[in-house]
Amino acid sequence: AQKITQTQPGMFVQEKEAVTLDCTYDTSDQSYGLFWYKQPSSGEMIFLIYQGSYDEQNATEGRYSLNFQKARKSANLVISASQLGDSAMYFCAMREVSETSGSRLTFGEGTQLTVNP
Amino acid sequence: DAGVIQSPRHEVTEMGQEVTLRCKPISGHDYLFWYRQTMMRGLELLIYFNNNVPIDDSGMPEDRFSAKMPNASFSTLKIQPSEPRDSAVYFCASSFTHWAGELFFGEGSRLTVL
Repeated sequence: AQKITQTQPGMFVQEKEAVTLDCTYDTSDQSYGLFWYKQPSSGEMIFLIYQGSYDEQNATEGRYSLNFQKARKSANLVISASQLGDSAMYFCAMREVSETSGSRLTFGEGTQLTVNP
Repeated sequence: DAGVIQSPRHEVTEMGQEVTLRCKPISGHDYLFWYRQTMMRGLELLIYFNNNVPIDDSGMPEDRFSAKMPNASFSTLKIQPSEPRDSAVYFCASSFTHWAGELFFGEGSRLTVL
């Protein structure tokens, strides 16, 4: 079964508008972390934001916020005031610690975001 | 800190040749991961180490792939013999302990096997 599901292969947004990138996850662990990474066309992986499973508040980092709904097992990324430089591939990832999972970071398939001027 | 350092950045080789990719993790990080990225399969975890010990190598495609971490500051991923289907970007990443730590990625090594 897929651990991390990103159902939007591609998304488009107008510059200065907000956009939500969806992510759902599957785990039976109580302790886990959820991450979003950005991969621009240059190829590097850039860490954006982190949400711990025990965190009650949604994580925020500048224009990025993570809409964490634990019961629904979703961890959507919200980008406010989109900029042209936000055009990139975005990956949702989960890190578990368990006897079966070890401490691996599992990635979703990614969402390609295009910001239009 | 210099970040995770990978070499080479680009490698073009012919089928059957041995390829060695290198990684220097961030000092003090006790986890090191090797990922492979392709269009077809996305980001796949190949193997990861904790305190230089391989913990999970279930993602290593086959016996042609091997990885070592002789000390806390160096790891290699070797492919012998290489095949065209091994063409991909190989990322090394390191982190502090367990689930609360984000991974810091190197810039990747783009491998092309002709």
